[in-house]
Amino acid sequence: GGIITQTPKFLIGQEGQKLTLKCQQNFNHDTMYWYRQDSGKGLRLIYYSITENDLQKGDLSEGYDASREKKSSFSLTVTSAQKNEMAVFLCASSIQGNSDYTFGSGTRLLVI
Amino acid sequence: SQLAEENLWALSVHEGESVTVNCSYKTSITALQWYRQKSGEGPAQLILIRSNEREKRNGRLRATLDTSSQSSSLSITATRCEDTAVYFCATDEGGRALIFGTGTTVSVSP
Repeated sequence: GGIITQTPKFLIGQEGQKLTLKCQQNFNHDTMYWYRQDSGKGLRLIYYSITENDLQKGDLSEGYDASREKKSSFSLTVTSAQKNEMAVFLCASSIQGNSDYTFGSGTRLLVI
Repeated sequence: SQLAEENLWALSVHEGESVTVNCSYKTSITALQWYRQKSGEGPAQLILIRSNEREKRNGRLRATLDTSSQSSSLSITATRCEDTAVYFCATDEGGRALIFGTGTTVSVSP
């Protein structure tokens, strides 16, 4: 069985800071995703990547950058953290866009 | 844009009872998926039902799909306390990426 790992589990940043979240999977899945989860708003797509070095914007891409340098890893950068921001960032991978997704356990972000 | 949405924010049942979560969506789809998210964890897929299927079962779970009304339901029979979670439906947007609903919180009490 494979695993998808997100680091760090908790991230506390300061307003204006650039913050990077990492995600690794060993399923050999082609497609990887970053979602943001706010309380009461479900999951919103930030970026996804269908193969190494590919990047596709989701509905929430403004304020974020992403990088897929290897098939197994997908990183997300918050370019300028917003004060009082609090959310969970979820990484997922799948064989393709409409197959089942495997999610990591999330990175919990708090900006002070 | 919210292409899929669960109809209720929260449901409460007692152990052993059945519960049904409903979902409506706005576009044509190739498949609809149901996910469960327990506290502190990422979502986990429960059932994938394709547009040419009307019903799919997985143990105590049963999903239905009605493409004419663009709606789906997920039923859980003989509920257990460990079924307490947020349940999401998700649809693909032409195979691009899954779009998730806002979720329904199901609480199962002893």
